[in-house]
Amino acid sequence: DTAVSQTPKYLVTQMGNDKSIKCEQNLGHDTMYWYKQDSKKFLKIMFSYNNKELIINETVPNRFSPKSPDKAHLNLHINSLELGDSAVYFCASSQDLTAIRSGNTIYFGEGSWLTVV
Amino acid sequence: GNSVTQMEGPVTLSEEAFLTINCTYTATGYPSLFWYVQYPGEGLQLLLKATKADDKGSNKGFEATYRKETTSFHLEKGSVQVSDSAVYFCALSGSGGSYIPTFGRGTSLIVHP
Repeated sequence: DTAVSQTPKYLVTQMGNDKSIKCEQNLGHDTMYWYKQDSKKFLKIMFSYNNKELIINETVPNRFSPKSPDKAHLNLHINSLELGDSAVYFCASSQDLTAIRSGNTIYFGEGSWLTVV
Repeated sequence: GNSVTQMEGPVTLSEEAFLTINCTYTATGYPSLFWYVQYPGEGLQLLLKATKADDKGSNKGFEATYRKETTSFHLEKGSVQVSDSAVYFCALSGSGGSYIPTFGRGTSLIVHP
């Protein structure tokens, strides 16, 4: 019954590897996001998709590539992992873009703890 | 652009103490304001929100009032519990046509028995 679920929850991998984090929401929302949280808890938006279309792509390295096969899923693929990619990655969703402007809630997944060694 | 400024933590209190976590914002127009809470090992969840000036959001004993004149949305609770220990994020959305919700840096709260 989890509204926004992401897998894996924990991921330890070596530098240079390629990894993916999957996200699914069962809320019927149109808009999904990826956020990165650093060790100081700062949350930074990475990407946002609305109805499977990319609408926000902040200054994120090209090694990060989101994929949205349908509006309930937004996966994050990371190539050539670097030490600085170690962080917690949160998937989130909201009803739609209009809802964001009128104050609707964003629902977060539980996070994926990525450690690059 | 939009921004949210929160007081730096950690805030350390004894159980039953009064809590205030300050939050001020910069935005155009009339954004909606939120407090999210992140318990250890979990994602963020909405604590309370206010969508227009002078509205008060409240939940689980926490409350915050949307003050447009001071561009503030301070979080308060009259008597904290150990279980309130978490990181609290102030956020805004819906300002200037932006689709990106803006979060503050988070304030860690530690409550001792």
